[in-house]
Amino acid sequence: EVQLVESGGGLVQPGGSLRLSCSASGFTFSSYAMHWVRQAPGKGLKYVSTISSTGGATYYADSVKGRFTISRDNSKNTLNLQMTSLRLEDTAMYYCVKDHWSGSFRDFDYWGQGTLVTVSS
Amino acid sequence: DIEMTQSPYTLSASVGDRVTITCRASQSISSWLAWYQQKPGKAPKLLIYKASSLESGVPSRFSGSGSGTDFTLTISSLQPDDSATYYCQQYNSYMFTFGQGTKLEIK
Repeated sequence: EVQLVESGGGLVQPGGSLRLSCSASGFTFSSYAMHWVRQAPGKGLKYVSTISSTGGATYYADSVKGRFTISRDNSKNTLNLQMTSLRLEDTAMYYCVKDHWSGSFRDFDYWGQGTLVTVSS
Repeated sequence: DIEMTQSPYTLSASVGDRVTITCRASQSISSWLAWYQQKPGKAPKLLIYKASSLESGVPSRFSGSGSGTDFTLTISSLQPDDSATYYCQQYNSYMFTFGQGTKLEIK
């Protein structure tokens, strides 16, 4: 059974930093691209970032480019999101998401339950 | 970036009704479109991928169609469990984008 378990969320002041992690199990983690998607309270889904299966390619939404860094450790089946210079508008539930297809960037077939990031003074 | 526009924003229908949600892309995305269902307090669930392929385990009352810029999600006979918000998502480019969502309520 595929499981994605996020951790690391919490309350942080504007300008602060936070590191999210996602522990993956139930599939060959190193074969799939992984993504982060966020959802502000009461709002819709917003794409945040993607990392290829090997970690050699990364992509970011314009809203987080230069502030967030996605990474992965295939030996530990872990996905990370380092967030710096956090803004009020970064407040959201952050979902760790698995790509549907090995070796590609396509649709998202498994989602974690999310970790809540609140940016507030 | 490719923008995705869903309609309607909200929809109220009765059990047994046929329901259609529309998603329009700002430029052609071929068939690189997925549909997700999200219930309150839960993570989204993949329903349809590549515009018309039904994800494993999803009831056959759900179907998708379209290509290019215009897509539809159809629920052939609405069930009480279908009350949720539905999102389309394009994956034609690495800048994945979602529609704003359609909230479906059961009368």
